Amino acid sequence: KAGVTQTPRYLIKTRGQQVTLSCSPISGHRSVSWYQQTPGQGLQFLFEYFSETQRNKGNFPGRFSGRQFSNSRSEMNVSTLELGDSALYLCASSLLGSGGISTDTQYFGPGTRLTVL
Amino acid sequence: AQSVAQPEDQVNVAEGNPLTVKCTYSVSGNPYLFWYVQYPNRGLQFLLKYITGDNLVKGSYGFEAEFNKSQTSFHLKKPSALVSDSALYFCAVRPPGANNLFFGTGTRLTVIP
Repeated sequence: KAGVTQTPRYLIKTRGQQVTLSCSPISGHRSVSWYQQTPGQGLQFLFEYFSETQRNKGNFPGRFSGRQFSNSRSEMNVSTLELGDSALYLCASSLLGSGGISTDTQYFGPGTRLTVL
Repeated sequence: AQSVAQPEDQVNVAEGNPLTVKCTYSVSGNPYLFWYVQYPNRGLQFLLKYITGDNLVKGSYGFEAEFNKSQTSFHLKKPSALVSDSALYFCAVRPPGANNLFFGTGTRLTVIP
């Protein structure tokens, strides 16, 4: 089975621009979560999507948004980029049961390295 | 509130020696605990998890972890370290009823040949 894929792998943007990152989960996985990794703040949860609905959101400003499509692929968008948004953005997918909560593992993609100049 | 602590930023161990990477957690209810490893310029790779049952969990690449409820710890161990084990290790907790993970700050493991 193919793993979680993320595109692009690297991005360079300037302050004020916006960016869209894409994530394709493992086939059959319906939950997609996004995390931000920075040297200063470590790994922080951004949001989680299940069945095209945002189920949970971390403590990030409204400039960070996302969506999930019917095939479970997900995108996240960051508008009005700031220098502090430079980070590795990781997507993870997991298999969820009918109740939407699972003990299953989250499997991570390789990440998108965003640099804001 | 839930949290994870990895008290050591850096652990050095000689090749062939046993290694331990420490993790303690704070969460309401019964936690789901995970260990991930990250190699340079890569995402997180799953090693093992504790959900319930036996306190000693075996995972990938010869790693294991021991869940200790009274000490709220979930230390990662390996009997004999390899140079290729050198990487950044993250402990994570998923609170009951949630799907997101809370991560520790990571421990950089260096295995010295």
